[in-house]
Amino acid sequence: GAGVSQSPRYKVAKRGQDVALRCDPISGHVSLFWYQQALGQGPEFLTYFQNEAQLDKSGLPSDRFFAERPEGSVSTLKIQRTQQEDSAVYLCASSPRTKAGELFFGEGSRLTVL
Amino acid sequence: QKEVEQNSGPLSVPEGAIASLNCTYSDRGSQSFFWYRQYSGKSPELIMSIYSNGDKEDGRFTAQLNKASQYVSLLIRDSQPSDSATYLCAVNSPGDYKLSFGAGTTVTVRA
Repeated sequence: GAGVSQSPRYKVAKRGQDVALRCDPISGHVSLFWYQQALGQGPEFLTYFQNEAQLDKSGLPSDRFFAERPEGSVSTLKIQRTQQEDSAVYLCASSPRTKAGELFFGEGSRLTVL
Repeated sequence: QKEVEQNSGPLSVPEGAIASLNCTYSDRGSQSFFWYRQYSGKSPELIMSIYSNGDKEDGRFTAQLNKASQYVSLLIRDSQPSDSATYLCAVNSPGDYKLSFGAGTTVTVRA
């Protein structure tokens, strides 16, 4: 895979359901970020992994949000008991560096909570 | 106050004209600055990075940085319809892993 791959691309959930969003970064990229982008807004930082270590989760909006990257490659963002305000595009980005700079974004997972 | 501020637009320019986009940031210690382009329904892609005061040119794009004024801009010369997109300004502070993004400026190039 040449780029960052995210799945599912679209997810509709009923309020209260749990969802899991997957990110497959570019091979060899040590840094992985999750961002949330609401309509008409810029991406908002959620969490950062350096290999398998979650170094920053300060942007996660509540304890309903959980992310993991157990083997330092694929990452999953899980949202429990979804609420309507969770509706957004969830972007995953990876970088070969440990310092913020050029991010390679996936196409995103659009979550709609009814 | 948001960390990174941009005029939301939309900015409409005729084909062949110069599009000028502005961005201000609040953290005076910020050191790295980026412009990302995002087509409708697509993901952001990096088009320019700048780290030092002054101008940096890459093809039809010029980024300008003024750290004293906490201001970074992007000029698009000879604008083409394919430049129609939202342009996101992103800033990184030292010791921080993440980029902080502005809300974006939407540019429409009229043929």
